[in-house]
Amino acid sequence: SQTIHQWPATLVQPVGSPLSLECTVEGTSNPNLYWYRQAAGRGLQLLFYSVGIGQISSEVPQNLSASRPQDRQFILSSKKLLLSDSGFYLCAWREGPPYEQYFGPGTRLTVT
Amino acid sequence: GENVEQHPSTLSVQEGDSAVIKCTYSDSASNYFPWYKQELGKRPQLIIDIRSNVGEKKDQRIAVTLNKTAKHFSLHITETQPEDSAVYFCAASRGEYSSASKIIFGSGTRLSIRP
Repeated sequence: SQTIHQWPATLVQPVGSPLSLECTVEGTSNPNLYWYRQAAGRGLQLLFYSVGIGQISSEVPQNLSASRPQDRQFILSSKKLLLSDSGFYLCAWREGPPYEQYFGPGTRLTVT
Repeated sequence: GENVEQHPSTLSVQEGDSAVIKCTYSDSASNYFPWYKQELGKRPQLIIDIRSNVGEKKDQRIAVTLNKTAKHFSLHITETQPEDSAVYFCAASRGEYSSASKIIFGSGTRLSIRP
């Protein structure tokens, strides 16, 4: 069965520091991968999605970037964090049929 | 662009009563409609979905209905229990037969069950 991992689970970083969040999926091949951010008490904001290695689509212009160096690996990065980058970062994957989308356990980021 | 509107934003019901959450979508080509439940501090979990070839789907106490003509769909929870308290998200996508299209989420409904 498929499993999605994210790390770290929690992170506290100062403003202006770099960021790297990793997501890996097991038990599947060539999935679509997604990065979402959820601010406290808010909805799901799609940040990036990828349909294959090296293919990244950005949904929101910001100081974040994403990369997909391997089929089942998706990385979210920033060179300099802002206070507004705080939130719950969720990776998700989708493939099939039946093309359902599942979320990883998430990384809770606090920028201080 | 594509948009999914969800109502109400908050909902409080007595334990044992029913809860209904409604969503409308703008993209007439949407054909896949999942619903997610997110408990406090956890990831959203897929609880039920409906595809364009059916008008209703049930799974125990949960049911979803779809009206493609009106472009709206609803989640119905019967005999509500305390563990139903959570935030519920509706969503829409063209991706019934492929993963190519992204899923558009509604803004969420915070459901509280009163004992």
